Amino acid sequence: KQEVTQIPAALSVPEGENLVLNCSFTDSAIYNLQWFRQDPGKGLTSLLLIQSSQREQTSGRLNASLDKSSGRSTLYIAASQPGDSATYLCAALSGGSYIPTFGRGTSLIVHP
Amino acid sequence: DAGVIQSPRHEVTEMGQEVTLRCKPISGHDYLFWYRQTMMRGLELLIYFNNNVPIDDSGMPEDRFSAKMPNASFSTLKIQPSEPRDSAVYFCASSPGTGTGRQPQHFGDGTRLSIL
Repeated sequence: KQEVTQIPAALSVPEGENLVLNCSFTDSAIYNLQWFRQDPGKGLTSLLLIQSSQREQTSGRLNASLDKSSGRSTLYIAASQPGDSATYLCAALSGGSYIPTFGRGTSLIVHP
Repeated sequence: DAGVIQSPRHEVTEMGQEVTLRCKPISGHDYLFWYRQTMMRGLELLIYFNNNVPIDDSGMPEDRFSAKMPNASFSTLKIQPSEPRDSAVYFCASSPGTGTGRQPQHFGDGTRLSIL
């Protein structure tokens, strides 16, 4: 059974810092890995989706990498801003099913 | 373009009552997912549909929960009878397709359910 872990659970940084959020998964036979953002009282917004054949995806100040062999993905946020404050979740879609397994998320606060 | 629409946004009801949550997926999306999010267990998939047909309901906690998708633009999640431990935020999501794993899921804003 796939298990997804996100470390740290919470993070507080000053504005302008570059930061890395970590996601690890136990079953490397994944189809893809997706990063989401969740604002308080809202649903999840997809940020980046990395296919199993890819190593990274970029969107603006966000860069997500995938290393299947080590069971890890990282989300890099450059030049963080207060508007980046949210909870970030990763989800691994295992190859044997179409059911994504979500991590518990990293709660990020970027203070001015 | 309208996103996934869920109703109601908030529901407070007494234990034992029937609860019905509703979802309108994005037009053209042929996959629909129901999730439950709690502090204790995080985000859990309850059931998902493909072309209105339930594919996997192994996440449905017990027989008190049922889900239907009578057509491509509407789905319901029903709890009868409701219990306090059902209190959670319930999300609906849709996707153009996961057959290739290439399409991200689009989430609604959720229904915050409180069972007293």
